[in-house]
Amino acid sequence: NAGVMQNPRHLVRRRGQEARLRCSPMKGHSHVYWYRQLPEEGLKFMVYLQKENIIDESGMPKERFSAEFPKEGPSILRIQQVVRGDSAAYFCASSPKETGTEAFFGQGTRLTVV
Amino acid sequence: KNQVEQSPQSLIILEGKNCTLQCNYTVSPFSNLRWYKQDTGRGPVSLTIMTFSENTKSNGRYTATLDADTKQSSLHITASQLSDSASYICVVSGFGGYQKVTFGTGTKLQVIP
Repeated sequence: NAGVMQNPRHLVRRRGQEARLRCSPMKGHSHVYWYRQLPEEGLKFMVYLQKENIIDESGMPKERFSAEFPKEGPSILRIQQVVRGDSAAYFCASSPKETGTEAFFGQGTRLTVV
Repeated sequence: KNQVEQSPQSLIILEGKNCTLQCNYTVSPFSNLRWYKQDTGRGPVSLTIMTFSENTKSNGRYTATLDADTKQSSLHITASQLSDSASYICVVSGFGGYQKVTFGTGTKLQVIP
């Protein structure tokens, strides 16, 4: 049973481009959480999704950011028109049920905006 | 507002020594508390999880304690190794329905030879 898989591990985008971050949860997990970690800071909750549903997106900026978790395929975190301040590590976690602290984390995607 | 505060922010110890990391939280009602280890450039890995009724839990050289009355937890590392160098994150979960977790900012531990 592979762990939570995130890709790419590193992503470089120019200002104004779009960034797409993918997360494949562990087998049997239907709950996905996205977190952002700025350099030297703790993880900050962004969005919680179940299959085909956004449950809680209170931590996600209202503009330029969107997330989905389709019936088939990975969860996608999409950032449009990236700015330098979006540079961070983005972690995805998955869990088999509705409790965040039983979640297992992926290795993260490090986004650098140049 | 739910908060999780960790101390110290950073710590340097000699290999073989013990150390204790602290976590104070205001999350209420409380469901469980977990300690994660995050190596540089990698995702967090769970070390221990404790519920309200548990006072202590061990995982090898890691021992976590919890005092739910004072809302404090500690992570004790015995006979530290160079591979213990990492950030240690305290994560507290509320109770009931969707449990939005609150992350501490972590303690950065460096073990030197």
